[in-house]
Amino acid sequence: GDSVTQMEGPVTLSEEAFLTINCTYTATGYPSLFWYVQYPGEGLQLLLKATKADDKGSNKGFEATYRKETTSFHLEKGSVQVSDSAVYFCALRMDSSYKLIFGSGTRLLVRP
Amino acid sequence: GAVVSQHPSRVICKSGTSVKIECRSLDFQATTMFWYRQFPKQSLMLMATSNEGSKATYEQGVEKDKFLINHASLTLSTLTVTSAHPEDSSFYICSAGASGTYGYTFGSGTRLTVV
Repeated sequence: GDSVTQMEGPVTLSEEAFLTINCTYTATGYPSLFWYVQYPGEGLQLLLKATKADDKGSNKGFEATYRKETTSFHLEKGSVQVSDSAVYFCALRMDSSYKLIFGSGTRLLVRP
Repeated sequence: GAVVSQHPSRVICKSGTSVKIECRSLDFQATTMFWYRQFPKQSLMLMATSNEGSKATYEQGVEKDKFLINHASLTLSTLTVTSAHPEDSSFYICSAGASGTYGYTFGSGTRLTVV
């Protein structure tokens, strides 16, 4: 079945470091891909999305490019801040379905 | 942007009692609402999907009689945990989507503790 695999965390970085969180997917068709962020004690917020191959989603300095050839949607940020500390979830949704399928989440901790 | 209000944010209840969690879409009509459960440091597990005016569709392994879902209007869905037990303690999150739109908006979650 369709699934999402994320790199295990926690990822610990110093402020202003470069961030990459890997995400790969398995799907029978062409899904839309999402990154959600969850701050402590809160629900999820949509960070960015891409709906077709080669699309780049971006928001708040974060970027991810939909790579069909590698079935990946890695999240990147050039310079992280302490306020970026959160759990990041990669997710997919097939056009034929209303369901979001989430990866296991990656916890990011940014130290001053 | 679209806002989903979920409350209460935290609730503590005694074992054997029932708890109701509300999820409201504030500025859009939510034709579909989803209820998730999240265990500590784990991903979200979809419990059920509800469409306004119809019965909820539960995921495999989720007890329908324990987790009652009502989606009586286009702006309100409720999850009632009946006869709660300590193992029901968890973080419950709702999300809502509108017909014809692409994304879903999540509520801020409810931390349920059953003592």
